[in-house]
Amino acid sequence: GQQVMQIPQYQHVQEGEDFTTYCNSSTTLSNIQWYKQRPGGHPVFLIQLVKSGEVKKQKRLTFQFGEAKKNSSLHITATQTTDVGTYFCAGHGDSNYQLIWGAGTKLIIKP
Amino acid sequence: EAGVVQSPRYKIIEKKQPVAFWCNPISGHNTLYWYLQNLGQGPELLIRYENEEAVDDSQLPKDRFSAERLKGVDSTLKIQPAELGDSAVYLCASSSSRQESGANVLTFGAGSRLTVL
Repeated sequence: GQQVMQIPQYQHVQEGEDFTTYCNSSTTLSNIQWYKQRPGGHPVFLIQLVKSGEVKKQKRLTFQFGEAKKNSSLHITATQTTDVGTYFCAGHGDSNYQLIWGAGTKLIIKP
Repeated sequence: EAGVVQSPRYKIIEKKQPVAFWCNPISGHNTLYWYLQNLGQGPELLIRYENEEAVDDSQLPKDRFSAERLKGVDSTLKIQPAELGDSAVYLCASSSSRQESGANVLTFGAGSRLTVL
């Protein structure tokens, strides 16, 4: 079946360093969504990318959707303590309702 | 807007006991999802409703889990009998094909954390 692989599983950074998480699908996606889950919280929608090669920015966050619509990345510039949490990608495959989730990347700020 | 409301937030039961979770989605959202999330893992879909119809329940363990969405609004998820391995967070989410943020973007509730002893 369709799968979305997300790496790395964890990333430890010093505050102020950059963070990147990558998602790779086994098949072409119609769109990809990104969610953030704070510790003890629930996933919260960040953004949706639809077009091939699309790049969107939200302040220090940059989201990209690959040309083949099979991969995506989230890059955070100059991380802050408020960025701590787990970032999930989730893509719609053949069916616009079947959302395939990555396993998430946990962003940890080193003390 | 109240968001997706779930109850109870926490439930502790002994194994073999029944448990039920309730979810009220965002008004106007015709699609409702129940997810299971284990610690350190991503959400796993249990069932998806389009209005009152369950259109994807392939991952629902039907021997002990059941769900309903009468009248196509709020929904309940039941486990009977609960097993130790059912300890997890049960997340409800809703979406609409017509949303400003984009079609089929999920809004999650706070979740119901189940502990089975």
